[in-house]
Amino acid sequence: EPEVTQTPSHQVTQMGQEVILRCVPISNHLYFYWYRQILGQKVEFLVSFYNNEISEKSEIFDDQFSVERPDGSNFTLKIRSTKLEDSAMYFCASSSTELSSVNYGYTFGSGTRLTVV
Amino acid sequence: GESVGLHLPTLSVQEGDNSIINCAYSNSASDYFIWYKQESGKGPQFIIDIRSNMDKRQGQRVTVLLNKTVKHLSLQIAATQPGDSAVYFCAEVYFGNEKLTFGTGTRLTIIP
Repeated sequence: EPEVTQTPSHQVTQMGQEVILRCVPISNHLYFYWYRQILGQKVEFLVSFYNNEISEKSEIFDDQFSVERPDGSNFTLKIRSTKLEDSAMYFCASSSTELSSVNYGYTFGSGTRLTVV
Repeated sequence: GESVGLHLPTLSVQEGDNSIINCAYSNSASDYFIWYKQESGKGPQFIIDIRSNMDKRQGQRVTVLLNKTVKHLSLQIAATQPGDSAVYFCAEVYFGNEKLTFGTGTRLTIIP
């Protein structure tokens, strides 16, 4: 079964450093997303991306965050200057169609655990 | 603001029994609801979904019920197995945006 692949599985970084979290969505998917989950809390939407641009973003997704699809296979989330409160599990997801379609195949990756020290 | 929430944070069920996980939502305009299962160290895994024009949908051992009058969603798992132990989240979608709004989650523990 096709999978969304995320790397690394765990990243530790010092406060103030830049991090890039990487995702390889399912190959024929067109819609890409990042979510985060602070330990013990619910999953929160960060950003959606379609046709090489951001289609929606949450209040969490401030100027410190950016996303990019640098080539035909990768989808990245960059945090420019990490803060302690950025420590969380970050999930990438992709889907083949809009959520309003019948079979969108919205699939999550296994996540990257980011620890900011 | 709009939110999706769960009634119970934890639930323990004897193996073989049925379990019911509940969810309350507040956005009456939501079009679509999904239940996800999250095992430790993994991403959310799709279980079952239901559109707002339905009140019941069945899958393999799982049933989702939607009561729009009281804005309530439930997930029923029949004949629970040890592998059902996980955190279960409901999520809602309003068509027109492409994001899932998740609830807090219920930890289901199956007792052997």
